[in-house]
Amino acid sequence: DTGVSQNPRHKITKRGQNVTFRCDPISEHNRLYWYRQTLGQGPEFLTYFQNEAQLEKSRLLSDRFSAERPKGSFSTLEIQRTEQGDSAMYLCASSGGHGYTFGSGTRLTVV
Amino acid sequence: GDSVTQMEGPVTLSEEAFLTINCTYTATGYPSLFWYVQYPGEGLQLLLKATKADDKGSNKGFEATYRKETTSFHLEKGSVQVSDSAVYFCALYPATSSNTGKLIFGQGTTLQVKP
Repeated sequence: DTGVSQNPRHKITKRGQNVTFRCDPISEHNRLYWYRQTLGQGPEFLTYFQNEAQLEKSRLLSDRFSAERPKGSFSTLEIQRTEQGDSAMYLCASSGGHGYTFGSGTRLTVV
Repeated sequence: GDSVTQMEGPVTLSEEAFLTINCTYTATGYPSLFWYVQYPGEGLQLLLKATKADDKGSNKGFEATYRKETTSFHLEKGSVQVSDSAVYFCALYPATSSNTGKLIFGQGTTLQVKP
């Protein structure tokens, strides 16, 4: 197993466009998390899945954000009508109950 | 709500100097405490953890002791190396039984070690 994989690593998009990120967790991990990290800050929780069920969403996750985890495997995070304030590192992590493993993140720049 | 506060950075040290990065927390009960490290262009890696009061976590020469009386979890290393240059995050896992496993992070402290 190669850990948690996130794609793309970098994404530059124009304001108003939609973007989608993918996270492939460690295969035996049933928990999957999305965090957002802005420059100079620590990661902030966005949402959590247990298997395919999305069990918690942060208030940071506005209605322009949607996350899915079909079949309890990989997950996608979509941002519609991107804004400059969405520019950040989006981190995915998975857990099997004995600690987290983070991916390398997707850095989004909205121009 | 629960929160984590870290000392402001950047921290700049010469190689072989002693390192302390302060971390204090606010939480109900007895949270689990963590230090993560983030090297440039990479994700967060767990450095060490402690799950109950007076526990000492240690890894790669780094140590931190869970101090309930001062609500602190300061990170220390006796002799830093250039390769330790990174951003260090203190984090907690709340003690509430309904918690989904989400971590609460401090803002991070950048460490720069010069040869």
